[in-house]
Amino acid sequence: DGGITQSPKYLFRKEGQNVTLSCEQNLNHDAMYWYRQDPGQGLRLIYYSQIVNDFQKGDIAEGYSVSREKKESFPLTVTSAQKNPTAFYLCASRRDGYTFGSGTRLTVV
Amino acid sequence: KQEVTQIPAALSVPEGENLVLNCSFTDSAIYNLQWFRQDPGKGLTSLLLIQSSQREQTSGRLNASLDKSSGRSTLYIAASQPGDSATYLCAGLIQGAQKLVFGQGTRLTINP
Repeated sequence: DGGITQSPKYLFRKEGQNVTLSCEQNLNHDAMYWYRQDPGQGLRLIYYSQIVNDFQKGDIAEGYSVSREKKESFPLTVTSAQKNPTAFYLCASRRDGYTFGSGTRLTVV
Repeated sequence: KQEVTQIPAALSVPEGENLVLNCSFTDSAIYNLQWFRQDPGKGLTSLLLIQSSQREQTSGRLNASLDKSSGRSTLYIAASQPGDSATYLCAGLIQGAQKLVFGQGTRLTINP
């Protein structure tokens, strides 16, 4: 079945560490997205990519980085510069409508 | 700046009732609109997509409509069941933009 796979499901980060969240899709979609979800704030766009080797900042890109070396993969790195990284992270891809993954919950310890 | 408002924020009804969830956009230049369901701690599941040339979509007990002139969408759920309990999110793709704009969601509880 086609879909989006996010891993890991739960991730813990120590202060000062960079961590990378994985997002893989087998839907053959060109566009991919990373959103952050916080209680009471809804979903906010971090980065998006419309094609391989190209990506753009969303509304809250500071402290995050991405790469798009393959059509299927769009990993998100949460750097130590992100001061409040604890959140639920959702990856999506799009052709007509959006398809979302099951999310990664990141917690700072 | 495009803002999306979902009303009500929470809704609790007995099983079997028909219900309507509302979504409105400050900017009516919506290219397409999508309704999602989110269960606690889970990702988003797409329910219905209304594309630019369409005004409504139906899937089973669900019907969604979009009035572009007013920037409003409704999600109608018929004969509600306890398994329908979840948070429902509407999201619009704005013309000329590459960003899906989300509402805050309606938390729906169906009581047996």
